[in-house]
Amino acid sequence: KQEVTQIPAALSVPEGENLVLNCSFTDSAIYNLQWFRQDPGKGLTSLLLIQSSQREQTSGRLNASLDKSSGRSTLYIAASQPGDSATYLCAASGAGRRALTFGSGTRLQVQP
Amino acid sequence: GAGVSQSPRYKVAKRGQDVALRCDPISGHVSLFWYQQALGQGPEFLTYFQNEAQLDKSGLPSDRFFAERPEGSVSTLKIQRTQQEDSAVYLCASSLDLTVYGYTFGSGTRLTVV
Repeated sequence: KQEVTQIPAALSVPEGENLVLNCSFTDSAIYNLQWFRQDPGKGLTSLLLIQSSQREQTSGRLNASLDKSSGRSTLYIAASQPGDSATYLCAASGAGRRALTFGSGTRLQVQP
Repeated sequence: GAGVSQSPRYKVAKRGQDVALRCDPISGHVSLFWYQQALGQGPEFLTYFQNEAQLDKSGLPSDRFFAERPEGSVSTLKIQRTQQEDSAVYLCASSLDLTVYGYTFGSGTRLTVV
């Protein structure tokens, strides 16, 4: 059974800092790994999708890496802004299932 | 449509009442998933459809939960005899190709059982 863990659970940084969010998963036989953003009371917005054969993906100030052998993914946010404040969720498929297994998220607060 | 649409946005049910939650996926998306999200937690998988076939329902917490997608498009999640522990946000996601495009989620239905 796939299990996904995210560290830290919460993070507060001043505006402009670069930061890294961590995600670990137990089953390396994944189809893909996806990072989402969730604002309070809202649904999930997809940020980056890393396919099983890929090692990283980039979109603007965001960069996500995938290391299947160690069961880890990181989301790097460059030059953080107050608008980046949200909960960031990591999700991985695995164990032969199409369904995603989610971590509990990292709640990010960027102070102006 | 442009995105995954869920209705109603909010639902308050009295304990014991039956509820039906609707999901309109993006047109042409063959895969459809339902998730349950408790407050402060990540979403938990409930069930998965490919077109009209329900391929995985291992996440449904009890036989009070039932999902259908009769024509391979709109899906309904039904909860019978609701209980307080059913209070959560129910999220629907669809995908054209999971490997290439991943999931697109709707805004969810917040169910409160009183």
